Amino acid sequence: GESVGLHLPTLSVQEGDNSIINCAYSNSASDYFIWYKQESGKGPQFIIDIRSNMDKRQGQRVTVLLNKTVKHLSLQIAATQPGDSAVYFCAENGAHYAGNMLTFGGGTRLMVKP
Amino acid sequence: DAGVTQSPTHLIKTRGQQVTLRCSPISGHKSVSWYQQVLGQGPQFIFQYYEKEERGRGNFPDRFSARQFPNYSSELNVNALLLGDSALYLCASSFQDLAGGETQYFGPGTRLLVL
Repeated sequence: GESVGLHLPTLSVQEGDNSIINCAYSNSASDYFIWYKQESGKGPQFIIDIRSNMDKRQGQRVTVLLNKTVKHLSLQIAATQPGDSAVYFCAENGAHYAGNMLTFGGGTRLMVKP
Repeated sequence: DAGVTQSPTHLIKTRGQQVTLRCSPISGHKSVSWYQQVLGQGPQFIFQYYEKEERGRGNFPDRFSARQFPNYSSELNVNALLLGDSALYLCASSFQDLAGGETQYFGPGTRLLVL
């Protein structure tokens, strides 16, 4: 079936630097994408979303970029802080095929060094 | 406002037993979805319910079942537990059916250990 995946399993950055987490998706019909942050022992926390009619969306310290040509999604975190340390998942809303479900990638662990 | 709540937080069962997990969505949300998250992996979709009707089902055996109540809370049942059912079970709610692209908000999960 269609899937959403991530390029890097672990990303280590220095506090204050910018972080970029990447994600590839395979369903060209996907039109809604979400980034979640999951801290140890907790459920995924919504960060930011983007629809396919946009190529960029900004939030507080976070930016999501969507490149539909190469089916690539990225999450940029500005001025990374220790509290940003977590596993980050991209997810695709699979509403266009059976299930009306979110399809998650395997996750990228972000480690922030003080 | 309270977020999605789940109970219990932790559960230990033995093989062959049955388990019921509970979820209360965010107030005003009518859609509840269930996911299974095995350690080290992303969540896998199990069910979606909207207005008490099943709207989607993932690739899970018939041992997994769920229902949604008039107050939009939901239960996930798993029969004949296997060791491989050990996982974090997540509940997510959204205001509408996911067909239009709805943000899902997750609860803290129930960690199930099958011995």
